[in-house]
Amino acid sequence: EVQLVESGGGSVQPGGSLRLSCAASGFTFSSHSFSWVRQAPGKGLEWVSYISSSSPTIFYTDSVQGRFTISRDNAKNSLYLQMNSLRGEDTAVYYCARVHESRLDYMDVWGKGTTVTVSS
Amino acid sequence: SYVLTQPPSVSVAPGQTARITCGGNNIGSKGVHWYQQKPGQAPVLVVYDASDRPSGIPERFSGSNSENTATLTISRLEAGDEADYYCQVWDVTSDHPWVFGGGTKLTVL
Repeated sequence: EVQLVESGGGSVQPGGSLRLSCAASGFTFSSHSFSWVRQAPGKGLEWVSYISSSSPTIFYTDSVQGRFTISRDNAKNSLYLQMNSLRGEDTAVYYCARVHESRLDYMDVWGKGTTVTVSS
Repeated sequence: SYVLTQPPSVSVAPGQTARITCGGNNIGSKGVHWYQQKPGQAPVLVVYDASDRPSGIPERFSGSNSENTATLTISRLEAGDEADYYCQVWDVTSDHPWVFGGGTKLTVL
């Protein structure tokens, strides 16, 4: 079964850090690009970051540029999001999403998400 | 940056056809993808490239895309179709290319 499982969410004070992980199974992890997408409480989906399958090409949305770092470990079939200098507006459910293997423009598999709460 | 506009809500009776629109400048020239999100669950891809369905998605889900509006159509509406629906495009000219619409809450009356 194709599966993505996020972990690492939690509650943190403003200015703090968290590292999210996404464990993949049921497919060839190294062949795919991935994105992190977040959803603030009661709000819509917001793309956060992207990493390509190899020789990584990386993108970030403007609001997290310089604070978040996306990475991957193909040997561990895992995707990561290091989040530093967290702000209240980073509070959201964070989803790991697989980008279609031969396309860049949509996500065909999503994890169930992990919740990040930034509050004092 | 590219903007996608969806109506906040659509209400349709069971058995009828629901149409959810997604507006964007010359969206007809882009690939449009649709995700369904039920309460407390992760998004699920239901339509890609405006009108194609991933395996496992019922034929009741279809779509179109022309000029400045893309449309997700759900026929023979069922109670289980009640969800939030998001359109999404890839704006190759942007440095944050994956753009989502604001979402539409579909209520099955």
